[in-house]
Amino acid sequence: EDQVTQSPEALRLQEGESSSLNCSYTVSGLRGLFWYRQDPGKGPEFLFTLYSAGEEKEKERLKATLTKKESFLHITAPKPEDSATYLCAVGGYQKVTFGTGTKLQVIP
Amino acid sequence: GAVVSQHPSRVICKSGTSVKIECRSLDFQATTMFWYRQFPKKSLMLMATSNEGSKATYEQGVEKDKFLINHASLTLSTLTVTSAHPEDSSFYICSARDRDWSNNEQFFGPGTRLTVL
Repeated sequence: EDQVTQSPEALRLQEGESSSLNCSYTVSGLRGLFWYRQDPGKGPEFLFTLYSAGEEKEKERLKATLTKKESFLHITAPKPEDSATYLCAVGGYQKVTFGTGTKLQVIP
Repeated sequence: GAVVSQHPSRVICKSGTSVKIECRSLDFQATTMFWYRQFPKKSLMLMATSNEGSKATYEQGVEKDKFLINHASLTLSTLTVTSAHPEDSSFYICSARDRDWSNNEQFFGPGTRLTVL
């Protein structure tokens, strides 16, 4: 069974304090690792897809990286508007499996 | 691009009534749509996978007679919660996958908050 574990569960950062979120996974036949951002009371917003180990993608202050066992979402110099829950998901042959997310709070 | 809408965004109903939620892909064709349920501080729980023109595939433990799914076109799927009860109160989110199979991303709607009194 595909599994996704995200850590930490919650993260509080000062504005400008860079950090990384972790997503560990096991999947039979990876067909994409996905990162989403979810604001309270809203649906997840697509951020990145990574397909193979060594791949990296960037968007503004976010950079996602992938190895064979985990993915990291690096946040550089975060701002309060980056506060949200970040979800990681893996696509296997049958379906996409989501982690429980990391709730990020960036304090001004 | 890749915009998914959901309607209504919020609904309050009495116990025993049925509620229909619509999910539309606005700028792409979706052969597959997914319905999720999300509990507070929990991750997304897949309820069913909906393929255009065929019966939905339900996850284990999800009552197909209670949660009726119809995917009549490449841009519209509906979820009907029949004879709703307070325990059905939740945040329901749909997602859609572009018919280009090489991309496995799902694009999510904004969600529907259902409250059953």
